[in-house]
Amino acid sequence: AQRVTQPEKLLSVFKGAPVELKCNYSYSGSPELFWYVQYSRQRLQLLLRHISRESIKGFTADLNKGETSFHLKKPFAQEEDSAMYYCALTPSGGYQKVTFGTGTKLQVIP
Amino acid sequence: KAGVTQTPRYLIKTRGQQVTLSCSPISGHRSVSWYQQTPGQGLQFLFEYFSETQRNKGNFPGRFSGRQFSNSRSEMNVSTLELGDSALYLCASSLQGWDEQYFGPGTRLTVT
Repeated sequence: AQRVTQPEKLLSVFKGAPVELKCNYSYSGSPELFWYVQYSRQRLQLLLRHISRESIKGFTADLNKGETSFHLKKPFAQEEDSAMYYCALTPSGGYQKVTFGTGTKLQVIP
Repeated sequence: KAGVTQTPRYLIKTRGQQVTLSCSPISGHRSVSWYQQTPGQGLQFLFEYFSETQRNKGNFPGRFSGRQFSNSRSEMNVSTLELGDSALYLCASSLQGWDEQYFGPGTRLTVT
């Protein structure tokens, strides 16, 4: 069975500082990985997925199969980045559920 | 296109009662998944329906059940409510189930 671990419940950084939200996964096959974000009083929404290799709102995430990690990074945090971030995994090949981590609350201090 | 809608948005029930929550997916989406969100446990997967069939199920007791209709709308039912069932229940739709999930606003259930 697949598992997603986000070790930090809360991450506080100062505005302008680099951000790294950690995500580790366990899955024996080739997973698809996602980051979802939930801003205050808004719906949970997709931030980025590893197969698109895009940078969204300055965030990037690289899949490291050796370390089974998919950490989310941003070089300079902004106040509007304060939100709840969830890492998620789907086994490739379909027909299996999406597994979410427990989430990390990012607090950017002005 | 219209997003995922959930009704009702808020619900207060007493222990022992049952409740039914509804979710209307984005038009064309055949997969609907349900999640329970609590501050301590994060997002916990309940079940996923695809074309009226339950395709995946999480580790919740049998009191939690669901169904999906031919128009892809889905309902979730919780019987014999317990205080611990108080949570935000989210539904998400997607084209295939393993692709991008589009979430609804959630139904806030409070059990007293």
